[in-house]
Amino acid sequence: EPEVTQTPSHQVTQMGQEVILRCVPISNHLYFYWYRQILGQKVEFLVSFYNNEISEKSEIFDDQFSVERPDGSNFTLKIRSTKLEDSAMYFCASSPGTRGYNEQFFGPGTRLTVL
Amino acid sequence: GNSVTQMEGPVTLSEEAFLTINCTYTATGYPSLFWYVQYPGEGLQLLLKATKADDKGSNKGFEATYRKETTSFHLEKGSVQVSDSAVYFCALPLDTGRRALTFGSGTRLQVQP
Repeated sequence: EPEVTQTPSHQVTQMGQEVILRCVPISNHLYFYWYRQILGQKVEFLVSFYNNEISEKSEIFDDQFSVERPDGSNFTLKIRSTKLEDSAMYFCASSPGTRGYNEQFFGPGTRLTVL
Repeated sequence: GNSVTQMEGPVTLSEEAFLTINCTYTATGYPSLFWYVQYPGEGLQLLLKATKADDKGSNKGFEATYRKETTSFHLEKGSVQVSDSAVYFCALPLDTGRRALTFGSGTRLQVQP
C-alpha cells in the first residue's frame, strides 16, 4: 500500500542553524501538507501546497519557514534559523485531488530537537 | 473557523471493555469528520471518517456516528484489545472550503490485559 515517507526520523540541531525536513508524498496525490506537534500538545497545521505553490498557511508559518517541491517526488520544509520552540514532531501529509474530499495520509514524522 | 473538543485522557480500560471517546465540534456547515490514531512511535493514521450528517464511519471494530443535532462524533468500540492502546485524535477541516485539518488535543487510551 502506498505511504508517505519522511526523513530523517530524528534531527538534532543547534539553535540558529538551518534544517531541511524531507517528505515523499504518495505519488498520485496533489495536495501536500506540513503539521507539527509540540510534545504534549495538539497537532497544528503549518502549510499546504498545491500546484507548486502555497495554498494555505497558518500564523505559525512565518518567514522562518519555507516549503519546496524540488522535483517530482520530494516535498521539503526548511526552517532557516531554528529556535528552541521549534522543537517538535513534524508530520508531512498528502491527499488526492478529489474535489471536496480532504482525507489526508500522514507520514511517520520527523522529531526535531533544537539545542 | 472550525474547532473540536475532545475528552481528556488518559483512559485506562481492561481488555474487552467498552470504549467511548467523546468528541464535539463547532463548525460552519457540515464538514467531513475524522478520527485519527497514533500508535506509539508512529505517525497519524486515519481510523475512520464520515462525510455527511448521520453517516457512520467504521473500521477495525471502531465506530463513530456524525450527529449534527448534538455536533458530536464520539468514537466507540465494543471490546478493546491491548493492541488498541494509542492516542486518538478527532479532526475536521479548519474552515469551510479549506483542506487543512484542525485536531483535538488527543485522548490516550491504555488497555490492560
